This record gives sequence, C-alpha cells and structure tokens, in this order.
Amino acid sequence: TQLLEQSPQFLSIQEGENLTVYCNSSSVFSSLQWYRQEPGEGPVLLVTVVTGGEVKKLKRLTFQFGDARKDSSLHITAAQPGDTGLYLCAGSTSGTYKYIFGTGTRLKVLA
Amino acid sequence: EPEVTQTPSHQVTQMGQEVILRCVPISNHLYFYWYRQILGQKVEFLVSFYNNEISEKSEIFDDQFSVERPDGSNFTLKIRSTKLEDSAMYFCASRAGTGPYGYTFGSGTRLTVV
Repeated sequence: TQLLEQSPQFLSIQEGENLTVYCNSSSVFSSLQWYRQEPGEGPVLLVTVVTGGEVKKLKRLTFQFGDARKDSSLHITAAQPGDTGLYLCAGSTSGTYKYIFGTGTRLKVLA
Repeated sequence: EPEVTQTPSHQVTQMGQEVILRCVPISNHLYFYWYRQILGQKVEFLVSFYNNEISEKSEIFDDQFSVERPDGSNFTLKIRSTKLEDSAMYFCASRAGTGPYGYTFGSGTRLTVV
C-alpha cells in the first residue's frame, strides 16, 4: 500500500515568515501533484511535477520533486493570511490511473 | 473556467437507505473519479472510470458501491445500503487524460448517515 506522509501536520506562523512542507514516501512516483483545499471545498490543483529534481515556481510557492521521485517539498516565501489552508500532495505510480493523497498539512498564517 | 458540478451539496439519509450522488464532469474530460474524505482524515480514492467502465477501485469500494455514466454527461455514485461509517464528504473529479494532468474536483457532497 502506497503511503504519502506529510510533515508537519499542523503549522501556525506569522505573516511574512517562510515555511517548507514535506511529502515523503517509500514508493517511486511517475508524477506528483500539490493541491490546496479550503474548508467545505474540493482540492484545487497547484502544480504537477514529473521529472526527478524538477523545481517549479508559482509566485511565492516553490515546489521540488526529489531526485529519486519518492519525495517532494513545497516552500512558501513571505507567507500571507491568504495562504491559510490544507495542503495536500498526491502521487501516481506508473500503470495506474489514480492519485493517492498524502496526510495533509494544515497551515494557518496569522496577520 | 470549466468546473465539475456535484449535487446535492448535502444529503442526510437513514442507515440502510440507498443514496445516489451526482456529478457532471468537465465535458471534454475522459477520466472520472470518486474520492471521499471522512471528517479530519485524508482524501481516499474510491474508484476510477474510463471508457464506460471501472478502471480501478479501492478496497473501500465494495459491493455496496456502484458507479454509472448513464447519459454521457452525468457520473453517479450509488451506495446501496448506507452505514454510519459512510458519512463523509464525497468528491467527484475528472481529468483530460492520464499522465501529468491534474484533477478538477467538484465542491463535494456531504453525506450524513443517521
């Protein structure tokens, strides 16, 4: 059974601080995605990474896929209250149509 | 922007009753999924559907569950005889293809079994 562990589970920081969220597995993924989920809503896709070592930027968010394609990180620079939410990683292994979701990191950014 | 529509947004049902959750995926998407999220827990895969048949299903998706795409636009999840532990948020998702395409999720149906 594939398992995607995210750390930390909860994070409460002040506006302007930087943070990194980690997503780790023992499985190798053909692609990995990051989503953000607001309460009562479905997850919204932020990024997809497919190549080991790949780095993608989305404004203040930087996503990295590990060289071995078993882990990923999300770094937020100068966090803002609007970044508050549940961040989910999701991985897909080759030969499957589905993504398996991680345990989630709940971020709260205080003004 | 195209979106996935789910109805109803909230359903309360008695234990043992059948429920049908409805979804309208994005029109040119080919792959359809149901996921669920029990309150405070992670998003769990239930089933994937492609070319009018189930392509994968999880252990959760037992004989009490079924999916259908009856008319080329709607995609439904039926739970035949609901249990208390079926209470969860159910999300429908669709994607254009396999490979590095992201899901577009609906806003979910909150199912409460009493």
